[in-house]
Amino acid sequence: QVQLQESGPGLVKPSETLSLTCTVSGGSISSYYWSWIRQPPGKQLEWIGFIYYSGTTKYNPSLKSRVTISRDTSKNQFYLNLSSVTAADTAVFYCARGLDTFGHFDYWGQGTLVTVSS
Amino acid sequence: QSALTQPASVSGSPGQSISISCTGTNSDVGTYNFVSWYQRHPGKAPKLMIYEGNKRPSGVSNRFSGSKSGNKASLTISGLQAEDEADYYCCSYEGSSTLVFGGGTKLTVL
Repeated sequence: QVQLQESGPGLVKPSETLSLTCTVSGGSISSYYWSWIRQPPGKQLEWIGFIYYSGTTKYNPSLKSRVTISRDTSKNQFYLNLSSVTAADTAVFYCARGLDTFGHFDYWGQGTLVTVSS
Repeated sequence: QSALTQPASVSGSPGQSISISCTGTNSDVGTYNFVSWYQRHPGKAPKLMIYEGNKRPSGVSNRFSGSKSGNKASLTISGLQAEDEADYYCCSYEGSSTLVFGGGTKLTVL
């Protein structure tokens, strides 16, 4: 059974960089697509981007200038960096495994709340 | 990139059928047959219920079905059960390997 677990600071200061880790167990990140998705309080889910097992990345155009997704296959982890955060970036962040690039996410983490506040 | 439009809430009684709509545009739902639906119970991770418009993953009840007409996709749940009470989100491919989600619908089983 594949399991994903998000981890990282729950509080980030405005203008700083939000950094999260997704640790995958029960399966290798050396295949499939690995995405980050977030949900601000009271708002809709928002796809942030993915990293393919080859290292290719794709980002939501609305966040592209601030997002970097990377991976470490030796640790079976992938990462999210979101720079220059504001209060609008406060959200529950999920990591998920995609079987393709068409929205077919079969495994998700439980989500982690990140609050942007001074 | 605009969010897909879903009703904020729907409700039904046990045993009834309900449908949740997901309205997009010609840039997403209307062009691609890649709409997926997710169920999320409070505090839980989202669960894939439908993918590629009308396909069910292994283990998902056949009470759940998906369809599409023009720019609108729908999730239908038949034989409503108490355990179906949850939030439901649609997601559509919009080209260039990008995705857009709906605002979510809260399903209440009366």
